[in-house]
Amino acid sequence: KAGVTQTPRYLIKTRGQQVTLSCSPISGHRSVSWYQQTPGQGLQFLFEYFSETQRNKGNFPGRFSGRQFSNSRSEMNVSTLELGDSALYLCASSLVDAQETQYFGPGTRLLVL
Amino acid sequence: DAKTTQPTSMDCAEGRAANLPCNHSTISGNEYVYWYRQIHSQGPQYIIHGLKNNETNEMASLIITEDRKSSTLILPHATLRDTAVYYCIVREYGNKLVFGAGTILRVKS
Repeated sequence: KAGVTQTPRYLIKTRGQQVTLSCSPISGHRSVSWYQQTPGQGLQFLFEYFSETQRNKGNFPGRFSGRQFSNSRSEMNVSTLELGDSALYLCASSLVDAQETQYFGPGTRLLVL
Repeated sequence: DAKTTQPTSMDCAEGRAANLPCNHSTISGNEYVYWYRQIHSQGPQYIIHGLKNNETNEMASLIITEDRKSSTLILPHATLRDTAVYYCIVREYGNKLVFGAGTILRVKS
């Protein structure tokens, strides 16, 4: 079974621009979560989507948004990019069951100049 | 904040068992113990999880104490490719994963 895929893998943007990252979950997985990883803050939860609805949300500003499509694929968008948004953005998918083990993709590395 | 405490780093000789401890003294009855690892700049890799009983899979074994306040991840025969940051996480159904700083495991030849 194919794993979680994320596109693009690398991205360079400038301050003020916006960016959209994509995540395709493992087949059959309906929950998708997004995380941001930086050297200073470590791995932090952004939000989770299930059945096209946001189910959980972390403590990030409104510039960070996401959505999920009917095929469970998910996108996250960051508007008005800041230098501090440079990070590895990770997507994880899971079945919605009692244990909900999350499986991570390789991540998208975003550099904001 | 992470609900677990792990040593900052550990070394292990190649071919020997690596035993990574984790304290989770405030764990509740509904919370599972999860272990993930992250090799430099890659996405975290799921290793194993458990609720009360000890668990084993092809990658590792998880030993949870009877009072559930601590656990140990065991990699039975560590290789150089096991060098990574290992995260111990306690999580209840429906909640997000909260990552702490983890343990840097260095496997040396």
